Amino acid sequence: GAVVSQHPSWVICKSGTSVKIECRSLDFQATTMFWYRQFPKQSLMLMATSNEGSKATYEQGVEKDKFLINHASLTLSTLTVTSAHPEDSSFYICSARPLGGRNTDTQYFGPGTRLTVL
Amino acid sequence: DAKTTQPTSMDCAEGRAANLPCNHSTISGNEYVYWYRQIHSQGPQYIIHGLKNNETNEMASLIITEDRKSSTLILPHATLRDTAVYYCIVRVRERGSTLGRLYFGRGTQLTVWP
Repeated sequence: GAVVSQHPSWVICKSGTSVKIECRSLDFQATTMFWYRQFPKQSLMLMATSNEGSKATYEQGVEKDKFLINHASLTLSTLTVTSAHPEDSSFYICSARPLGGRNTDTQYFGPGTRLTVL
Repeated sequence: DAKTTQPTSMDCAEGRAANLPCNHSTISGNEYVYWYRQIHSQGPQYIIHGLKNNETNEMASLIITEDRKSSTLILPHATLRDTAVYYCIVRVRERGSTLGRLYFGRGTQLTVWP
């Protein structure tokens, strides 16, 4: 149980294009999903909190107009990197918090999406 | 901001217990300690979490000191597949739309040797 998938697993795109990454909770519903970014040899950096049916909450320093988040259902959140540039190349990871989680709730992570911008 | 301190790296022989320490001296009363691990180029995997009492599951044991300022993750019989970066995280206590945020520090690179 508690499986989270991401699609695509890797993507290569040209500079200036937009890329959409999907995060799905496969066997549970999630009112809250989180998006992280990880550069090589660095730790995960929280980008934003995605709540179903409402606007995402972005961490300080993360451009909301560049990283568009949509959480349209209880099992799907999408991250769109708009006008991608080489410095956006990174490993993007999502996590999902099961619906009805107690204060001790656990996040389950997806396998990540490797984005390379040429 | 990560509220934890962990050694950068540790080694362990296969079959032996791996004891990974974590300091969280500024932890607040109702903040939980979570442990995740990340194998290279994969998403993090949940291991265990605790508040005050020691915890054990099929993967590991978590020992939290009485003053809650530090904890130790124990892998009782490490295998080569346990080689990963282990993250100790104090979960921020908050309400509303940002409930449950996790802030990752640098973690400990555990290498299990044959």
